[in-house]
Amino acid sequence: GNSVTQMEGPVTLSEEAFLTINCTYTATGYPSLFWYVQYPGEGLQLLLKATKADDKGSNKGFEATYRKETTSFHLEKGSVQVSDSAVYFCALNPAGTASKLTFGTGTRLQVTL
Amino acid sequence: DGGITQSPKYLFRKEGQNVTLSCEQNLNHDAMYWYRQDPGQGLRLIYYSQIVNDFQKGDIAEGYSVSREKKESFPLTVTSAQKNPTAFYLCASSIVRGSNYGYTFGSGTRLTVV
Repeated sequence: GNSVTQMEGPVTLSEEAFLTINCTYTATGYPSLFWYVQYPGEGLQLLLKATKADDKGSNKGFEATYRKETTSFHLEKGSVQVSDSAVYFCALNPAGTASKLTFGTGTRLQVTL
Repeated sequence: DGGITQSPKYLFRKEGQNVTLSCEQNLNHDAMYWYRQDPGQGLRLIYYSQIVNDFQKGDIAEGYSVSREKKESFPLTVTSAQKNPTAFYLCASSIVRGSNYGYTFGSGTRLTVV
């Protein structure tokens, strides 16, 4: 079946540090891949996505590259801010099917001054 | 602006009572979903619907019920059979066809049993 594995948190960084949150997946074919962000007490917001191998999704300084050879979609940001503190979810949508996302368990990011 | 509205934001329920959470969308999306999120945990799918008057159980449907009488609305009822209903509930919607589209989420309802 389909699955998404994320690194466990919390990830604690100082402001302006480099961020990587690892995400690997298991799926047949070429799924679409997503990163969502959840701020405290709120719903999830789509952060970025990639729909085919080698695509790079980017938004608000965050980037992730769809790596078919390593089945990965790691989230990166060059310089984090306190306002980036949130929970980040990686997700996949299997290829050729109606929309039915599989989510990872989420990774909490805490950024301190 | 189009979006998903969940109400109320906070809800308190006495043990043994049923309670209904509202979810309305004006995105013209065919599919709608309900998820449960416990503190520090990921998302667990309760029910989903891809078309009006049809819905399917997710991974944790026991103690919950839904209806889909209108495309825009997908209310969730937490029944007295749900033994541990205190959680954060999230509603989402999406286009059905194709795998390139993600979900749009509401802002959630926090349910507490008192």
